[in-house]
Amino acid sequence: DGGITQSPKYLFRKEGQNVTLSCEQNLNHDAMYWYRQDPGQGLRLIYYSQIVNDFQKGDIAEGYSVSREKKESFPLTVTSAQKNPTAFYLCASSFLTDTQYFGPGTRLTVL
Amino acid sequence: KQEVTQIPAALSVPEGENLVLNCSFTDSAIYNLQWFRQDPGKGLTSLLLIQSSQREQTSGRLNASLDKSSGRSTLYIAASQPGDSATYLCAVRDGQNFVFGPGTRLSVLP
Repeated sequence: DGGITQSPKYLFRKEGQNVTLSCEQNLNHDAMYWYRQDPGQGLRLIYYSQIVNDFQKGDIAEGYSVSREKKESFPLTVTSAQKNPTAFYLCASSFLTDTQYFGPGTRLTVL
Repeated sequence: KQEVTQIPAALSVPEGENLVLNCSFTDSAIYNLQWFRQDPGKGLTSLLLIQSSQREQTSGRLNASLDKSSGRSTLYIAASQPGDSATYLCAVRDGQNFVFGPGTRLSVLP
C-alpha cells in the first residue's frame, strides 16, 4: 500500500519542549517537503529536501529543524525557539518536478 | 517573490451548477501549476497538474486551464455535487518549490 504517512495525528507540546513529527513515504520519491497551515491561510514551506543528507530552508524555517538520513524519511523537529507552533503540519513528497503527494497531517497544539 | 491569490475566498452553489474557481500568480516563469482539494482536517489530494507548456488538463468533471502570460489559471467543475464540497487550492512550482494560494472554500448544497 503506497503512500505517505505522518504520525502522530495529534500532538500536544508544553512550553519549552521540543517535539518531532514523523513523515515516511514508500513512493521512491526524491523530494520531500514540510509545510505549515494556519486557519484560513495557504500552506507555507518550512523545509524541503531533494536528496538524502541535503535539505534547504523554506520561507518559515526559524524554530524548526529537519534531517534526511534515509530517502523514505523526513522528520521535522519543532523546537522551543518556535514561538507560535500551534498549527496543522503537512508533509509531501514528489519526483523532482512532478506532482506533490501529501500525507494526512499532524495537528500540533501548545498547552 | 511569487504570490498566488485565489478568488473567490468562499463559494456556495446549488447542486448541479457548473462553476469556475480562479487562481492568479504574479511571476509567469513557472514550471507547472497544480490544483488540490482539501477536506476539513485532512491532507491535500492532487486533482490536476498542468505543465508550463500545456494549456489545459481534464479529469472527469474537472477541467483546469493555464494562461502563463496573464498569470491565471481556472478550475472548472461541471455538474457540481455535494461531495465536491471542500477547499480547493492552487499551487505554482516556482524554481524548486511550490507556492500555494489561500484556497477557495466550496459548498455545494443539495
